Amino acid sequence: GAGVSQSPSNKVTEKGKDVELRCDPISGHTALYWYRQSLGQGLEFLIYFQGNSAPDKSGLPSDRFSAERTGGSVSTLTIQRTQQEDSAVYLCASSEDSYSPGYTFGSGTRLTVV
Amino acid sequence: KQEVTQIPAALSVPEGENLVLNCSFTDSAIYNLQWFRQDPGKGLTSLLLIQSSQREQTSGRLNASLDKSSGRSTLYIAASQPGDSATYLCAVSSGTYKYIFGTGTRLKVLA
Repeated sequence: GAGVSQSPSNKVTEKGKDVELRCDPISGHTALYWYRQSLGQGLEFLIYFQGNSAPDKSGLPSDRFSAERTGGSVSTLTIQRTQQEDSAVYLCASSEDSYSPGYTFGSGTRLTVV
Repeated sequence: KQEVTQIPAALSVPEGENLVLNCSFTDSAIYNLQWFRQDPGKGLTSLLLIQSSQREQTSGRLNASLDKSSGRSTLYIAASQPGDSATYLCAVSSGTYKYIFGTGTRLKVLA
């Protein structure tokens, strides 16, 4: 596609439920990144994909968080047993490859856990 | 551990003013530095990218400088306009793919 597409744009969920956030990167971009932006904080790196593999998952905050990427394209970030502290904007970005410094970000998914 | 700080956290200026946003980072061994703009409810838009070997980059009314030795970057906006109102984020990478972001400067340009 022309840009990075994220869905849903907004998600309200009850504490304890599982949620899936989707990212559709720019066609042909092999590198994909997930970041989290909590209120009043900077963007926090979560995970990086090169193709379908994730060489760096160091930013995932707990084992409730997981992500996968299939076909070198769409990625899904899954949060199990959501907690209120998971409330944040989840941003996805893609780049041509991991050596290309130019990220293109999606508009994000605003997750609210009530 | 790399830390990125942006000052001021918020800034309000009248239209037409020239202004400077500041970014500092603790580890000078960076690969590159980017300035991004974030509008409410939107993703980030890359404004300027400075490679570690460069001192500055310019795009239109924007000029970003980099001083690695002192761990500082500035974003200069000339002749500010109300459309420049947004949050400006500074991000540094120490490798090829991961960025560390500052918390941003929220700019409001008054008409």
